[in-house]
Amino acid sequence: GDSVTQMEGPVTLSEEAFLTINCTYTATGYPSLFWYVQYPGEGLQLLLKATKADDKGSNKGFEATYRKETTSFHLEKGSVQVSDSAVYFCALRVSGGYQKVTFGTGTKLQVIP
Amino acid sequence: GAGVSQSPSNKVTEKGKDVELRCDPISGHTALYWYRQSLGQGLEFLIYFQGNSAPDKSGLPSDRFSAERTGGSVSTLTIQRTQQEDSAVYLCASIPTGVRSYNEQFFGPGTRLTVL
Repeated sequence: GDSVTQMEGPVTLSEEAFLTINCTYTATGYPSLFWYVQYPGEGLQLLLKATKADDKGSNKGFEATYRKETTSFHLEKGSVQVSDSAVYFCALRVSGGYQKVTFGTGTKLQVIP
Repeated sequence: GAGVSQSPSNKVTEKGKDVELRCDPISGHTALYWYRQSLGQGLEFLIYFQGNSAPDKSGLPSDRFSAERTGGSVSTLTIQRTQQEDSAVYLCASIPTGVRSYNEQFFGPGTRLTVL
């Protein structure tokens, strides 16, 4: 079956540090890949997405590149801010008749001033 | 426009009672998902509705859990004889018409269920 594996958190960084949150996947078909973010007290919202190999999704300074050869979709940001503190979820969705989305367990990021 | 709404936002109940959680998806969205998010855990898929097709119930943890979607819109998740381990945030999400693999899910704010 489909699965998503994320690095365990929590991740604690100082402001302006470089961020990487690893995400790898297994899929029975050809997936689209997503990163969702959940800020404290809020619902999940889409951060970025990529629909085919070598695509790069980007938003709010975050980037992730769809690497089919390594089945990875690592999230990166060059300089984190306190406001980036949240839980980040990697997810995949395989096209076809069944549109089930598979989420990773989430990685909590805490950025300290 | 209006997003996905869920009610109630918080529900405290006693062990053994039944509860109903409601989800109003974005108008016109044909696919609807229910997830459970337990404290410190990721999202656990519960059930999926797509148009008029039979729902995928493979994620429901026990026969105490059931869900329906009336008229292809509003959905209700019912938990019978609640247990303390049912305490979690229950999230609903929907996807627009003309489902494609890259369409994002739009999440509601969730219902926080506490079983005493």
